[in-house]
Amino acid sequence: GAGVSQSPRYKVAKRGQDVALRCDPISGHVSLFWYQQALGQGPEFLTYFQNEAQLDKSGLPSDRFFAERPEGSVSTLKIQRTQQEDSAVYLCASSSRRLANLDEQFFGPGTRLTVL
Amino acid sequence: AQSVTQLDSHVSVSEGTPVLLRCNYSSSYSPSLFWYVQHPNKGLQLLLKYTSAATLVKGINGFEAEFKKSETSFHLTKPSAHMSDAAEYFCVVSKGNTGKLIFGQGTTLQVKP
Repeated sequence: GAGVSQSPRYKVAKRGQDVALRCDPISGHVSLFWYQQALGQGPEFLTYFQNEAQLDKSGLPSDRFFAERPEGSVSTLKIQRTQQEDSAVYLCASSSRRLANLDEQFFGPGTRLTVL
Repeated sequence: AQSVTQLDSHVSVSEGTPVLLRCNYSSSYSPSLFWYVQHPNKGLQLLLKYTSAATLVKGINGFEAEFKKSETSFHLTKPSAHMSDAAEYFCVVSKGNTGKLIFGQGTTLQVKP
């Protein structure tokens, strides 16, 4: 399809395990965002990429969270030593513009992470 | 700092009656404002956006919103609710040139037959 895809859709991890969440943005989209949505809350910004450059990672909650986009397309969000408070839906969004402030962000369906 | 406040966590209407979802914003300059909708098990979808052009913004599925600077509001309306409108609605402000989005807490819209 032509939309943003994310995998896996669901992930269950034991506390302390590492996880990797994948995002395939719309082809050609320059900007890529990760958001975290806790149950019953609005999404919260984690990090932003412009092509392969990570220009803003101010929303990452701890140094256990790491994101990359090495070739400027697919992105991976990695969480090390998962904790129960990491349980949330992780959303990826992409935008066609370099400066995305006026533009629509297209969201993927999210990955629901449950940490036991 | 930019932020949005959605004044109702839950709104219930009858099918065919008007919808009003309220949002106030805080911004140090003219903001870019959006409404997104989230249906269960589906991705967030843009309903409409305000980017300092016309203050009355028309979106998809019959929704519209009016930007009122004097009231710092950006309320979402629809003249007649459909059952398919039942979903979670988010008022959103864009922060900075990169466009990272700041979401409100969301309003759950229930539509009764």
